[in-house]
Amino acid sequence: QMRLQESGPGLVKPSETLSLVCTVSGDSINSSPYHWGWIRQSPGKGLEWLGSIFKSGSSYYNPSLKSRLSLSVDTSKNQFYLEMTSVTAADTAIYYCARALYSSSSGFDPWGQGTLVTVSS
Amino acid sequence: VMTQSPLSLPVTLGEPASISCRSSESVLHKNGRNYLDWYLQKPGQSPHLLIYLGSIRASGVPDRFSGSGSGTDFTLEISRVEAEDVGVYYCMQGLQTPSSFGQGTKLEI
Repeated sequence: QMRLQESGPGLVKPSETLSLVCTVSGDSINSSPYHWGWIRQSPGKGLEWLGSIFKSGSSYYNPSLKSRLSLSVDTSKNQFYLEMTSVTAADTAIYYCARALYSSSSGFDPWGQGTLVTVSS
Repeated sequence: VMTQSPLSLPVTLGEPASISCRSSESVLHKNGRNYLDWYLQKPGQSPHLLIYLGSIRASGVPDRFSGSGSGTDFTLEISRVEAEDVGVYYCMQGLQTPSSFGQGTKLEI
């Protein structure tokens, strides 16, 4: 059974960089035809797609975050990553990783359990 | 922009339920498929996929769930609501960048 697991610091200071890891088990990123995405959920903005990446490293970003967001992938570790710079309180949210089934940013299944990130000094 | 209605849906066990989702732009791809998903987020859980490409049930989803519509107007129907169906339902379009979600519809028994 395929699973995804997010990991990273629960607390980040304003203006610093948020780094998250998504570890995939039960499937190989390197042999998978799918894209892999990041979505976050906050009380104020609901569910928001952040970006997606393919095994080749080709990435797609939400234009509203593109200047601060960077996605990468390490197929040897079966992991993909999110880096978000210059975070503010508005970036406080639960961050999910998920597999995209039928395009770079659609059909997300399954989702990880999510990791809560709080931006605060 | 994805607009769902209603935002709150009280239902009776065993009765049908319907949720509407309207997109401000067409989500019909030139390949003839609608890039429209439905997700359910049960209390305390991550969202999970119910319906993709407008009308295809995801693996393991009971056949009491069905999706319909095309272009800008879509509907999720539950033929007979069960207790395990409570939670928040979201539609999401994946054709226009960025992909975007509706506000969510909270289904309560």
